Amino acid sequence: GDSVTQMEGPVTLSEEAFLTINCTYTATGYPSLFWYVQYPGEGLQLLLKATKADDKGSNKGFEATYRKETTSFHLEKGSVQVSDSAVYFCALSELPSILTGGGNKLTFGTGTQLKVEL
Amino acid sequence: DGGITQSPKYLFRKEGQNVTLSCEQNLNHDAMYWYRQDPGQGLRLIYYSQIVNDFQKGDIAEGYSVSREKKESFPLTVTSAQKNPTAFYLCASSIVATPNQPQHFGDGTRLSIL
Repeated sequence: GDSVTQMEGPVTLSEEAFLTINCTYTATGYPSLFWYVQYPGEGLQLLLKATKADDKGSNKGFEATYRKETTSFHLEKGSVQVSDSAVYFCALSELPSILTGGGNKLTFGTGTQLKVEL
Repeated sequence: DGGITQSPKYLFRKEGQNVTLSCEQNLNHDAMYWYRQDPGQGLRLIYYSQIVNDFQKGDIAEGYSVSREKKESFPLTVTSAQKNPTAFYLCASSIVATPNQPQHFGDGTRLSIL
């Protein structure tokens, strides 16, 4: 089945440091890939997405490139801020199967907690 | 503003009791989903619905039930058969059940056992 593997946290960085959170996936077809962010006590917010190989998703200074050859979708940011402290989830979604039915569902990684300090 | 509203924010369940978590959306989305979040385990899909009066089991449906009588509402009942219900529950919705459309999430309900 589909799976998503994220680097374990917590990740602690100083403000203005470079961020990379690794994400690799296993899927049978051609998934769409997402990064979601969760602030304490809140739901998930979509951060960025990519729907096909070599697409780059970007938002709020964060970027991730869909790499089919390495089945990866690593999240990067050049200069993190204290306000970026949150839990980041990588997720994938595949087309519904004609054989097995079902609709869209997201498969999530376990999340990576980021803490940015002054 | 359009969005997803989950209520209550905190909920406590007694032994042998069923409890119902509310999820309402005014985004005019067709598909709705329920996830369970446990520490260190990411999110796991409980149930989803692509259209009114239809829903499918997700990966961990045992001990839960849902209904979809209206497009904007997708309540989740945690039954007494769910022996470990303490978790953070998240409701989501999307435009149509296709992978290119992101899911939009509510702010969650935290369920605890008394």
